[in-house]
Amino acid sequence: SQQGEEDPQALSIQEGENATMNCSYKTSINNLQWYRQNSGRGLVHLILIRSNEREKHSGRLRVTLDTSKKSSSLLITASRAADTASYFCAPSGGGNEKLTFGTGTRLTIIP
Amino acid sequence: DADVTQTPRNRITKTGKRIMLECSQTKGHDRMYWYRQDPGLGLRLIYYSFDVKDINKGEISDGYSVSRQAQAKFSLSLESAIPNQTALYFCATSDPLAVSYNEQFFGPGTRLTVL
Repeated sequence: SQQGEEDPQALSIQEGENATMNCSYKTSINNLQWYRQNSGRGLVHLILIRSNEREKHSGRLRVTLDTSKKSSSLLITASRAADTASYFCAPSGGGNEKLTFGTGTRLTIIP
Repeated sequence: DADVTQTPRNRITKTGKRIMLECSQTKGHDRMYWYRQDPGLGLRLIYYSFDVKDINKGEISDGYSVSRQAQAKFSLSLESAIPNQTALYFCATSDPLAVSYNEQFFGPGTRLTVL
């Protein structure tokens, strides 16, 4: 399994602004997932993008995938205080490959 | 009711004690996982099980053991707890037959403190 590396490690923005965080990985993938973790709680799956997709939307979330650059980005539009959390990417080769989580991006939304 | 539950939610114990953390799921998933999370280190996989008869070590299995009592239950044991096992422990499940087959569903976590 391979680990994604999230960047930046921490991000603080004003409520209402957009937040962008990035993920890089090293080898080819079948899909890439993004998860959110509120402080001290379990991770929650946000969105999965497959290797043949370039962009995917879910509500205020927009995920892009560039397999040539081995990178993905997660955009949260019109941020809210409730978006304050850590965000993790998990690239996967599919099959029986286990997910590996990095250290995440810690997002703080300032009211 | 939560689909993935963990007991206890918090535990304080002493060095050398044997501790068992339990995970139950009602999702009907075959695959279950145990992770630990330490500040600044992300989540690290301890053990995983793809079905009742399958147990595999993760990246940090030393000092831990597991038991898959049934499809719905996966327990993690610390045979002789030590202070550097103080961490947040998560159980997760996944369904290889689902469309997003390796999407994982996490429990609420167990905060373990070893004194």
